[in-house]
Amino acid sequence: GDSVTQMEGPVTLSEEAFLTINCTYTATGYPSLFWYVQYPGEGLQLLLKATKADDKGSNKGFEATYRKETTSFHLEKGSVQVSDSAVYFCALSDQGGKLIFGQGTELSVKP
Amino acid sequence: EAQVTQNPRYLITVTGKKLTVTCSQNMNHEYMSWYRQDPGLGLRQIYYSMNVEVTDKGDVPEGYKVSRKEKRNFPLILESPSPNQTSLYFCASSPLGGNQPQHFGDGTRLSIL
Repeated sequence: GDSVTQMEGPVTLSEEAFLTINCTYTATGYPSLFWYVQYPGEGLQLLLKATKADDKGSNKGFEATYRKETTSFHLEKGSVQVSDSAVYFCALSDQGGKLIFGQGTELSVKP
Repeated sequence: EAQVTQNPRYLITVTGKKLTVTCSQNMNHEYMSWYRQDPGLGLRQIYYSMNVEVTDKGDVPEGYKVSRKEKRNFPLILESPSPNQTSLYFCASSPLGGNQPQHFGDGTRLSIL
């Protein structure tokens, strides 16, 4: 079945450091790919999405490119801030709308 | 404001005592879903609904029931809760279609003693 694998956390970075969180997927068909963010005590919020190969999603300085050849959707940000501390989830959606999540990666940014 | 509202946010209860977690959305979305979040496992789908009176099992449906009598509401029912259902639960909604992002509620933390 379809699945998503993310790099394990926690990830600890200093403010202004470069961030990469790896995400790879296995899917039949052509899924849409998403990154969601969960701040402490809150629900998940959509961070960015890409719906077809080579699409780049971007939002709030975060970017991810849908790479079909490597089945990857890595999340990147050039300069993280303390306010980016959260749990990040990579997910894919099948044609019916079902979301399949990775296990989540906790990011902690220190001043 | 567009939102998904879950109640209660927190609940501690005992094994076997029936409970219902309510979920309501104000965006006229067709698709609604329940997930549970457990450490190291991410979120797993419990049940989903693609429209009124249409529900189907997700990946971990055992011990749960749902209903969709109105488009905006999608309650999650635990008829006889057990400790292994202690978890953080999220309701989500979206328009139909795999490329539509889902909107999540703030979560319900259930503890079954």
